[in-house]
Amino acid sequence: DSGVTQTPKHLITATGQRVTLRCSPRSGDLSVYWYQQSLDQGLQFLIQYYNGEERAKGNILERFSAQQFPDLHSELNLSSLELGDSALYFCASSVVGGDTEAFFGQGTRLTVV
Amino acid sequence: GENVEQHPSTLSVQEGDSAVIKCTYSDSASNYFPWYKQELGKRPQLIIDIRSNVGEKKDQRIAVTLNKTAKHFSLHITETQPEDSAVYFCAASRDYKLSFGAGTTVTVRA
Repeated sequence: DSGVTQTPKHLITATGQRVTLRCSPRSGDLSVYWYQQSLDQGLQFLIQYYNGEERAKGNILERFSAQQFPDLHSELNLSSLELGDSALYFCASSVVGGDTEAFFGQGTRLTVV
Repeated sequence: GENVEQHPSTLSVQEGDSAVIKCTYSDSASNYFPWYKQELGKRPQLIIDIRSNVGEKKDQRIAVTLNKTAKHFSLHITETQPEDSAVYFCAASRDYKLSFGAGTTVTVRA
């Protein structure tokens, strides 16, 4: 167990809908990262927060947004869902920034039908 | 932004042989290079990392080398075992952004 908790584990929803994925980082970690992993694909960096502030952005679609709350948990919001958004979404956390070990959650499997 | 390229995409080795995975990065300011292993259906987990002020690091059967001038780093696994079969990801970090390579699927044949 990495100490990073993601909910839900599985999510099935219809095209056009909106979903929220939740991540609780390890105790003491200030950074949260979100990654998208499509079938047989690598880890696509979406966005990163540090202590409540956005610090780095990857190839995140405009339909996607995220935030980190004062208690340091983070949420990734996906709207106007398309079939191609079906993927495994990982959250990871680290103590500070990108130069410390990132611990991954077990992921949320999103299926858009 | 940082671009990390990883080769090969797949690697099949005989049990007991060595496996080598190579990565290149584009941002010369990147200073942290971790390697993650992802077993089927599981989360990625750190197996070894190296910082820009170090040229080589070993941990039992695993070693990583870094060439800052050429902007490339490699993972070496010696005496491969069936449990080494997994997807391996290299990554490069600058400041707060951690960018991953596309991954290498390693299969160890018994």
